[in-house]
Amino acid sequence: NAGVTQTPKFQVLKTGQSMTLQCAQDMNHEYMSWYRQDPGMGLRLIHYSVGAGITDQGEVPNGYNVSRSTTEDFPLRLLSAAPSQTSVYFCASSHGWTERGSSTDTQYFGPGTRLTVL
Amino acid sequence: SQKIEQNSEALNIQEGKTATLTCNYTNYSPAYLQWYRQDPGRGPVFLLLIRENEKEKRKERLKVTFDTTLKQSLFHITASQPADSATYLCALDSYGNTPLVFGKGTRLSVIA
Repeated sequence: NAGVTQTPKFQVLKTGQSMTLQCAQDMNHEYMSWYRQDPGMGLRLIHYSVGAGITDQGEVPNGYNVSRSTTEDFPLRLLSAAPSQTSVYFCASSHGWTERGSSTDTQYFGPGTRLTVL
Repeated sequence: SQKIEQNSEALNIQEGKTATLTCNYTNYSPAYLQWYRQDPGRGPVFLLLIRENEKEKRKERLKVTFDTTLKQSLFHITASQPADSATYLCALDSYGNTPLVFGKGTRLSVIA
């Protein structure tokens, strides 16, 4: 298994440009999520999905869109890039909701995309 | 408001000693608590998960404790090695449809 893959590894954008960060997993995981990681801020959840066709907002969703048309793929779209979106972006996946009704179990993270917006 | 705090941003320790990292939380009712390791330029990697009804979990040189009364988890690495140098993140997993929430991490440096 390749696990969780992300492309591109690095990206430089100009303010106002749009782009899509790709994320794919081959573990048949139901749950997928996007985080951004900034110095001193830790990992912050942007959007997540509990299955194909279902998405929800996390802590910092503004400026980002997601869709989940298949179990495998969960792309993150930046609609109009801003310098505040300069960050490292991680995609993660897990099996899904646990039997106790709590949220996800072990998360598998991708290698990250380092995005700079000028 | 809900808060997760990892006691220090950075921790330096001598090789061979036991490293102890702390994760405190407020206004959560966690079902599970997880610990992850993150190396520079890489994504976090899962280490251990402990459930609310478990006091302690071990895996090789790693030990995690979970005290829901104190609202605290301790993460220990015994006989620490320079290869253990990394950032360690705790994450809380609550009941209901709420996603995993991460602390900001503690950067551990093991000095030879």
